[in-house]
Amino acid sequence: SQTIHQWPATLVQPVGSPLSLECTVEGTSNPNLYWYRQAAGRGLQLLFYSVGIGQISSEVPQNLSASRPQDRQFILSSKKLLLSDSGFYLCAWSLGSPGTQYFGPGTRLLVL
Amino acid sequence: AQSVTQPDIHITVSEGASLELRCNYSYGATPYLFWYVQSPGQGLQLLLKYFSGDTLVQGIKGFEAEFKRSQSSFNLRKPSVHWSDAAEYFCAARVANDYKLSFGAGTTVTVRA
Repeated sequence: SQTIHQWPATLVQPVGSPLSLECTVEGTSNPNLYWYRQAAGRGLQLLFYSVGIGQISSEVPQNLSASRPQDRQFILSSKKLLLSDSGFYLCAWSLGSPGTQYFGPGTRLLVL
Repeated sequence: AQSVTQPDIHITVSEGASLELRCNYSYGATPYLFWYVQSPGQGLQLLLKYFSGDTLVQGIKGFEAEFKRSQSSFNLRKPSVHWSDAAEYFCAARVANDYKLSFGAGTTVTVRA
């Protein structure tokens, strides 16, 4: 069966510092991968999705970027964090075009 | 514009009572529909989904949902709630070939003893 991992689980970072969040999926090949942000009172916002290695679609222009260096690895990055980047970041995967999305446990990011 | 609406922000229900969570969608064509549940500090877990066919869909944890095209609704129900059903519930939708899943704002369910 498939398993999705995210780390770290919790992160506290100062404003202006860099960010790297990692998501990996086990037990499948060629998944579609997604990054969402869940901010208080703002619901779930799709940030990026990828249908293959090196292919990234950005949904919201902002301070963040995504990369997919390996088939089952998806990384969310920032060069300089803003206070507004605080939130709960969720990674998801699906199979097919586009398939049903399954979510990881999330990373809580607090920017101070 | 495509959207998903959950009219109820918060619902309180007694343990053992029935639960119904409302979801309405606004799409040009019938979208694929989903219900997810999120416990505090956790990721989202898929409860059930509807693509086509039988309009009454059974899911995990004793939940079911009914698709009503005439009302553009996909309401979630459970006959008898347990204290462990206290969580936030999200309705979501997408069109057939779209990778973007649109979520409702969520409904928080509180279960009282």
